[in-house]
Amino acid sequence: EAEVAQSPRYKITEKSQAVAFWCDPISGHATLYWYRQILGQGPELLVQFQDESVVDDSQLPKDRFSAERLKGVDSTLKIQPAELGDSAMYLCASSLDRPTYNEQFFGPGTRLTVL
Amino acid sequence: SQQGEEDPQALSIQEGENATMNCSYKTSINNLQWYRQNSGRGLVHLILIRSNEREKHSGRLRVTLDTSKKSSSLLITASRAADTASYFCATDTGGFKTIFGAGTRLFVKA
Repeated sequence: EAEVAQSPRYKITEKSQAVAFWCDPISGHATLYWYRQILGQGPELLVQFQDESVVDDSQLPKDRFSAERLKGVDSTLKIQPAELGDSAMYLCASSLDRPTYNEQFFGPGTRLTVL
Repeated sequence: SQQGEEDPQALSIQEGENATMNCSYKTSINNLQWYRQNSGRGLVHLILIRSNEREKHSGRLRVTLDTSKKSSSLLITASRAADTASYFCATDTGGFKTIFGAGTRLFVKA
């Protein structure tokens, strides 16, 4: 069964360092999402791609976060520099098309700890 | 910002009992979805209900939607220990964005 792949699964870094997360969506899925989930809360959308284009990045802290999906397939989310408040689970998801009536398939997530 | 708010925040029941979780939202929606998340893992889609539907079933799951009250409920019948997880409602307001609530933590005791 096709799955969304994410790496690494766990990342520990010191504040002010740079970190990067990678996501490979299910083949053929046009829409890709990056979410941040703080412990005890629901996922919060950071950025959403339709193919290689960003369609929503309103909640992405653009002074330190960047995301790309150059060929409309896999994607990278980067944080530079990392801050203590960035400690969270970072989830990637994909769907066949835009979210209306399309379920999202989630990867296992990357748990980031910033020391 | 979170569109949906789940109630209760936490629920503890015995195996075999039914579990009911509620979700309230603020603005008009195209559809509402329920997801499950086991501890430390990604989310798994459970069911989607469209704004013109009032009830939907999937196995032991029953979802209702009342658009006049801007609320939905998820019923899990004959719960099992394996149902222990967090459950989230997610709303699509017609834009590109799906907004998740804070979740209900369900604990099913064997």
